[in-house]
Order: sequence, then structure tokens, then C-alpha cells
Amino acid sequence: DAMVIQNPRYQVTQFGKPVTLSCSQTLNHNVMYWYQQKSSQAPKLLFHYYDKDFNNEADTPDNFQSRRPNTSFCFLDIRSPGLGDAAMYLCATSREEGKGSDTQYFGPGTRLTVL
Amino acid sequence: GQNIDQPTEMTATEGAIVQINCTYQTSGFNGLFWYQQHAGEAPTFLSYNVLDGLEEKGRFSSFLSRSKGYSYLLLKELQMKDSASYLCAVMDSNYQLIWGAGTKLIIKP
Repeated sequence: DAMVIQNPRYQVTQFGKPVTLSCSQTLNHNVMYWYQQKSSQAPKLLFHYYDKDFNNEADTPDNFQSRRPNTSFCFLDIRSPGLGDAAMYLCATSREEGKGSDTQYFGPGTRLTVL
Repeated sequence: GQNIDQPTEMTATEGAIVQINCTYQTSGFNGLFWYQQHAGEAPTFLSYNVLDGLEEKGRFSSFLSRSKGYSYLLLKELQMKDSASYLCAVMDSNYQLIWGAGTKLIIKP
């Protein structure tokens, strides 16, 4: 089945210790997104890639970086996690961007705990 | 600014009907999405509306009025598994998705 996969599902890190979250997709979609979602809040878009073009949201902290080495994989690097970065991190894909009907499909998410 | 409003929480009874409302103010409009999100899981796509009117999909229907900046998600024959958060999201003129905080739906037997 075509899908969006995130690893790990649960990640525990220490304050200030770098962590990398991964996302892969078998949908062959051009666009990949990273969202941060805290409890009972809307997902917050951090950045997205259209193919290899990186688009950073204006209010995404520099502490968050991303890499997309190929169509299938995308990584979220948190360079120095703080307690406020504890959240669910959601990866999503869509076939295109700039089309209203293009649905975003989500992976199961990685829940990050910062000790 | 851009804004999506939904009730924070609603309660309904198994077998009944519930309507979850969403109002929006965005810079432009390229469609409205409804997603279901079970606790601790990722959002899953339910519906997309870009034209006014009602879209029916099994037990779930979604309605849109662009002139009023309003949508609702109608869930019929409620089942316990429908207990989840329901997120409304609008695609603005830049094709960015603007998300509501979600409505937590509690189903009671």
C-alpha cells in the first residue's frame, strides 16, 4: 500500500541534544511537509519541499532544519531541542502544490519528548 | 489576519447526528478540507469542498457557503469509533493550508 511512514513513532531526547526525525513516502508525491502539533492545537507548518525547492515558514525557529535527499525521504533535524519543542511532529505529502484540490496525506507522526 | 473558528468540544450520543461548524476568514479561498484525528494519531482526510453546497460521503457530509465563510461537517448514525478531533482547514490564495484547532467530539453510549 502506498503510504507515508515516520520513524521513530516515539522519540525521547535530552535538553540540547540534537535529534533527527525521518519520513518516507511511497506515493511519489512532489511535495513533503513538516508540521509541529501540540496538544489540542492546530498543526503548525514548519517548512515544506516542492521537489528539491525548500520553503521555510517565516516564524520557524533556526533550531529546526530539514533535508530532502531524494523524492522519497525527508528529515527534520532539531539542533538543540528545548522543553518547548516537545510535540507531535507530522510529515505530510501532496502530489502538487498550488492546486486547491491537492489533498495532504499524513504519516502517523513522531511524538517527541524532551527531558 | 487569517482565522479558523471551530467549537473546542462537543458531546453526542451513539446513533445520533451531530453537526460541527467551522467559520473562516482567510486571504483568498481555494477550498476547505475536513480531517479526522484520533488521539495520538495523524489526521486523515475526510472531505474537500470548493463549491457551495453539500457533499455527501456515506455517513459523513460536508457543506460549504463561501459567501458566509462557513462550513459544517455532519456525522450521521454516530458510532463510538467516531470519537476523535475534527479539524477544519482552508487553503488560502497562496495555496497554504490554514488550520483550525479542531473540535473534540465525545460520543456517549
